[in-house]
Amino acid sequence: TQLLEQSPQFLSIQEGENLTVYCNSSSVFSSLQWYRQEPGEGPVLLVTVVTGGEVKKLKRLTFQFGDARKDSSLHITAAQPGDTGLYLCAGEAGNNRKLIWGLGTSLAVNP
Amino acid sequence: DAMVIQNPRYQVTQFGKPVTLSCSQTLNHNVMYWYQQKSSQAPKLLFHYYDKDFNNEADTPDNFQSRRPNTSFCFLDIRSPGLGDAAMYLCATSRDLSGNNEQYFGPGTRLTVT
Repeated sequence: TQLLEQSPQFLSIQEGENLTVYCNSSSVFSSLQWYRQEPGEGPVLLVTVVTGGEVKKLKRLTFQFGDARKDSSLHITAAQPGDTGLYLCAGEAGNNRKLIWGLGTSLAVNP
Repeated sequence: DAMVIQNPRYQVTQFGKPVTLSCSQTLNHNVMYWYQQKSSQAPKLLFHYYDKDFNNEADTPDNFQSRRPNTSFCFLDIRSPGLGDAAMYLCATSRDLSGNNEQYFGPGTRLTVT
């Protein structure tokens, strides 16, 4: 069974702090996506990483795909209250094209 | 703007009373998905349509059915809702099953079962 483990599960920080959340698996993924979900809303796609070792930046967010394409990280610099939400990673593997979802990291950024 | 729309945003139904949730998309995507998400959990895929081809997940209860009358619309029917079916139901689309399968979600319908 393919699993994606996200850590930490919960994170509460002050505005301006930096943070990193992790998405790990023993399986290889052909691509991995990061989503942010705000309370009462659907997930919104932030980025897709495809190549092992790939780094993508989206303003203050930096996404990295592990060399072996089994893990990924999301680093947020100078977090703001607007970054609050549930961060979900989802990996695509196999021929059936289904996404395997992590349980998410719930981030609260306090003013 | 191209988008995924879900109606209603909030739905209350009684135990055992059939309910239908709606999803429409203006993205002209081939694939439409229905997910169930409970509090503090990841979305759980119920089924998806690739064009008119229906693909049910093995662990989706028979109580859940879906219809896709055309490219733009997809419905989730819950034939006899139980208390355990209270959840957020998310509709998503993707352009195709090739590529990176990037999915675009609607805002969800929060279902309450009384």
